[in-house]
Formats: sequence, structure tokens, C-alpha cells
Amino acid sequence: QVQLQESGPGLVKPSQTLSLTCTVSGGSISSGTYYWSWIRQPAGKGLEWIGRIYTSGSTNYNPSLESRLTISADTSQNQFSLRLSSVTAADTAVYYCAREPGGRLGAGWLDSWGQGTLVTVSS
Amino acid sequence: EIVMTQSPGTLSVSPGDRATLSCRASQSVSRNLAWYQHKPGQAPRLLIFGASIRATGIPARFSGSGSGTEFTLTISSLQSEDFAVYYCQQYNNWPPKYTFGQGTKLEVQ
Repeated sequence: QVQLQESGPGLVKPSQTLSLTCTVSGGSISSGTYYWSWIRQPAGKGLEWIGRIYTSGSTNYNPSLESRLTISADTSQNQFSLRLSSVTAADTAVYYCAREPGGRLGAGWLDSWGQGTLVTVSS
Repeated sequence: EIVMTQSPGTLSVSPGDRATLSCRASQSVSRNLAWYQHKPGQAPRLLIFGASIRATGIPARFSGSGSGTEFTLTISSLQSEDFAVYYCQQYNNWPPKYTFGQGTKLEVQ
């Protein structure tokens, strides 16, 4: 059974870059069967889809974040990562990584999630 | 952007009762809708995809219905472990810009 675990700094200063890593166990991110996604949830608000990466390196991003966002993968470490630049307090949220089945097009639903990690943007 | 609206925000029910949660899309998403269960400190859990298809290992007391803009998640006989927050998610757009509802909190009455 696949497991996902987010890791990274819990505190980031405004204007700096938020960087998180998701480590996948129980399955290979290079299998070609899944997209690997990031989602976030600000306190008291709903979930927001951030973006995803496929085995080939192909990415799709939420247009509202695209100018600040990079999602990448390290298949040797079985990890994928999120970098969000020029952060503000509005980027404070619990960040989740997740798996989307469905191969090259993606199915749309997310069948496995990490437990999430809180990132606070504050000086 | 497709806006997903869930109602009610909080639903108070007793164990053994039936719970009905609603999700409305601002435009048609066909049957491209999923439901998730989320408990504090845990990973969200996929319950339903394709509006009505139970994910692997999900008990039969969970059922989904609807299409277009109106969807329902029904839990037929609430167990203690079912009290949680439930989210709907649409995945109807290309390129993808998935959106979620604000959630319905299912609490013990």
C-alpha cells in the first residue's frame, strides 16, 4: 500500500520561497501510472488544488499560482517537490501531497494522500 | 473556475441514523465528481469517484449519486468512525483545475 509523507520547513519568511518534499513509499513514482499532486488548505478554508507532475516530467499548475510555482520530481529518491516563490501570509496553509491514478491523462480523483504539513508564512 | 458549494456546513446526526450531504457545482461537471472523508490529523480518504463508484475498501453504507450540477453523498447507517469532515471535488476541466467544496462537518448529535 502506497504511503506519502510531506516534509519541509514549518516556517517561511514573507517574500521567500516555500519548499516541500513528498516521499513516496510502497510504490514507484516512475511507474507511469500516476500523477503526483499537491493540495493545500488554509486554516478555516477549503482545499485548493495546487498542481501535479507526471512521470515524464509533464506538469499542470493551478493558474492562480502558476507564476510562482514549480513542481519537480526526483525518481532516484522516489520523491516529488513543491517550490512556491514570493510567499505571503496568504500562503499559510496545511500542504498535502497526493496520488492521482489514470496514467498520462490522469483520472482526476486522488486515491492516496499524505497527512499534511503546516507551513506558516511569518517574519 | 467551477465553484463547488456544499451544504449544510455542519450536520448533527446520531449513530445509526442516515446522513445526506449535498454538493452543488456552479456549472455542469457531468459525473466527474469525487467525495473524500477527512479526520483531524489524518490523510484525507477517497470514498467515491465518478459520482457513484465506491473506492477500494469503502463500506457499502457510503453511496454517491447525482450528475451535472447536483450531487449527494449518503451514509446509510452512521457508525462512530464516520464522524468527520466530507469534501466533494470536481475534475471536469481540461487543462485540469480541480476544485473542492468547503466541506460538511458531520458531528454527533
